[in-house]
Amino acid sequence: DVKVTQSSRYLVKRTGEKVFLECVQDMDHENMFWYRQDPGLGLRLIYFSYDVKMKEKGDIPEGYSVSREKKERFSLILESASTNQTSMYLCASSSETAKNIQYFGAGTRLSVL
Amino acid sequence: AQKVTQAQTEISVVEKEDVTLDCVYETRDTTYYLFWYKQPPSGELVFLIRRNSFDEQNEISGRYSWNFQKSTSSFNFTITASQVVDSAVYFCALNNFNTNAGKSTFGDGTTLTVKP
Repeated sequence: DVKVTQSSRYLVKRTGEKVFLECVQDMDHENMFWYRQDPGLGLRLIYFSYDVKMKEKGDIPEGYSVSREKKERFSLILESASTNQTSMYLCASSSETAKNIQYFGAGTRLSVL
Repeated sequence: AQKVTQAQTEISVVEKEDVTLDCVYETRDTTYYLFWYKQPPSGELVFLIRRNSFDEQNEISGRYSWNFQKSTSSFNFTITASQVVDSAVYFCALNNFNTNAGKSTFGDGTTLTVKP
């Protein structure tokens, strides 16, 4: 079974803090994704990566950055957390050889106070 | 540009009723994949089905069935004899063959509540 693991299920941070959300997949997938999910807004793509050290902006990259130093790990960074970044964050991975099905982690619910 | 529309924001049914979740998509590409994912209350999205644009054959898996019609750009999902465990948010998604990194466009989701 494909496993996508997000480091934290719940996280509470203060405004202005630097926040790292970590995601690890164990299926050697080349593609990885970060989404945020808010009520009524569906899944919005923040960033994605198709290879180590490669990244592309999604639909809502402002206020976020990412890092992919190893194939299995994709990190989402909030340089200076703000209250409007309170949300559910979902990581996913996929591979063309796995028919581009996206496999998701359990999500991190981030609260910025 | 591509788009996925799930017009039904919320649906509520009583157990054992049949329910159909609608999905309409827009794409200029002739080759693409369509997906359905389920997000139960626990939060983790799980893959249900994938269809490619060459295959309009409908599919049935237990109580689940999918109706893909290219003529109407629709990929609808029917649950027969719904159960409380079917309560979840369901997402339809579109992925073009040539899209970088297998990026998918997701609909906004339909929240299905099945009452006992």
